[in-house]
Amino acid sequence: SQTIHQWPATLVQPVGSPLSLECTVEGTSNPNLYWYRQAAGRGLQLLFYSVGIGQISSEVPQNLSASRPQDRQFILSSKKLLLSDSGFYLCAWSGRRVTGELFFGEGSRLTVL
Amino acid sequence: AQKVTQAQTEISVVEKEDVTLDCVYETRDTTYYLFWYKQPPSGELVFLIRRNSFDEQNEISGRYSWNFQKSTSSFNFTITASQVVDSAVYFCALQPFNSGTYKYIFGTGTRLKVLA
Repeated sequence: SQTIHQWPATLVQPVGSPLSLECTVEGTSNPNLYWYRQAAGRGLQLLFYSVGIGQISSEVPQNLSASRPQDRQFILSSKKLLLSDSGFYLCAWSGRRVTGELFFGEGSRLTVL
Repeated sequence: AQKVTQAQTEISVVEKEDVTLDCVYETRDTTYYLFWYKQPPSGELVFLIRRNSFDEQNEISGRYSWNFQKSTSSFNFTITASQVVDSAVYFCALQPFNSGTYKYIFGTGTRLKVLA
């Protein structure tokens, strides 16, 4: 069966520090991968998605970047965090078909102080 | 524009009451998919249902039912005889198909509180 795992689960970082959140998927190949952010009391905002290794589409220009160094690995990064980067980050995957349900990871809660 | 609107920010009901969560979507694509997800306090989103734009049949799964109406661009979700365990944030999502996008567009969610 397929599983998705992201880490760390909780992170407290000072403003200006770097960030790296990692997500891996097991049990499937060539998944579409996604990073969403959920700010407190807000909906899910699509940040990045990827349909293949090295292929990243950015939805919201901001302080973050994403990379996909391997087929089932998706990394969210920042060189210098801002207070506004605080939130709940969710990684998700879907099958290679254009449509299908999204499967979400457990989420990473980031607090920038 | 591709958009999902969940106008109800928060709903509180007493256990055993029925409750309907509204979802209105916008898309120019003639083919699209609609989803509902549940986010319990743990945070992880749980898939509930997927519907394609050509299938307007209502669906029932236990205490859950979904009403899809293309004429009003709505995909509403009803919980019958609500239970405390139904307390969660519920998200409606849209995936446009014609444009070849792989994006899933989510609404802002509705927080449901079921009181014992």
